[in-house]
Amino acid sequence: GAGVSQTPSNKVTEKGKYVELRCDPISGHTALYWYRQSLGQGPEFLIYFQGTGAADDSGLPNDRFFAVRPEGSVSTLKIQRTERGDSAVYLCASSSGGAGNTIYFGEGSWLTVV
Amino acid sequence: KNEVEQSPQNLTAQEGEFITINCSYSVGISALHWLQQHPGGGIVSLFMLSSGKKKHGRLIATINIQEKHSSLHITASHPRDSAVYICAVSGGINTDKLIFGTGTRLQVFP
Repeated sequence: GAGVSQTPSNKVTEKGKYVELRCDPISGHTALYWYRQSLGQGPEFLIYFQGTGAADDSGLPNDRFFAVRPEGSVSTLKIQRTERGDSAVYLCASSSGGAGNTIYFGEGSWLTVV
Repeated sequence: KNEVEQSPQNLTAQEGEFITINCSYSVGISALHWLQQHPGGGIVSLFMLSSGKKKHGRLIATINIQEKHSSLHITASHPRDSAVYICAVSGGINTDKLIFGTGTRLQVFP
């Protein structure tokens, strides 16, 4: 597609439920990033994929969070046993890979855990 | 102390005013990014800098690597410039992973 696409744009879920958030990066972009942004804060890094592999998952807050990118394009962020503190905007970004590239962001997935 | 600090946190201006937003960082970087975020969440990349100065239309970004400081300037501000402006740095050798500042909320009134 023309830009980074994220679905769903909004998700309301009950505490304890499982959630999947999808990111479709710009075609050909090998690098894909997930960030989380809480209200009034700057985004925080979660995980970075180079191709199919997670090159850096140091930002995942705990083992309830997991992400995959099985074919090196679309990525899914999975959150198990959601908690109210998981409520945030989850942002996906992609770039050409390596360093020194323009980064393109999706519109984000707004997750609310009630 | 955050690795990326921005000031001010909030800024209001009258249409036509010259605006400056500052960013200081404490880590080694390969590039500094200025981003714009509108209500609703979407983030747009404005500039990527590793040295010197860049200009796009009414926007100017400068960086001083020795002082670990960057500024974003908006000349002849307009209400449509109202947004959150975020400074972010990337420091990895082989990655564009970003460390973000908390953003500056700008409101420009007619």
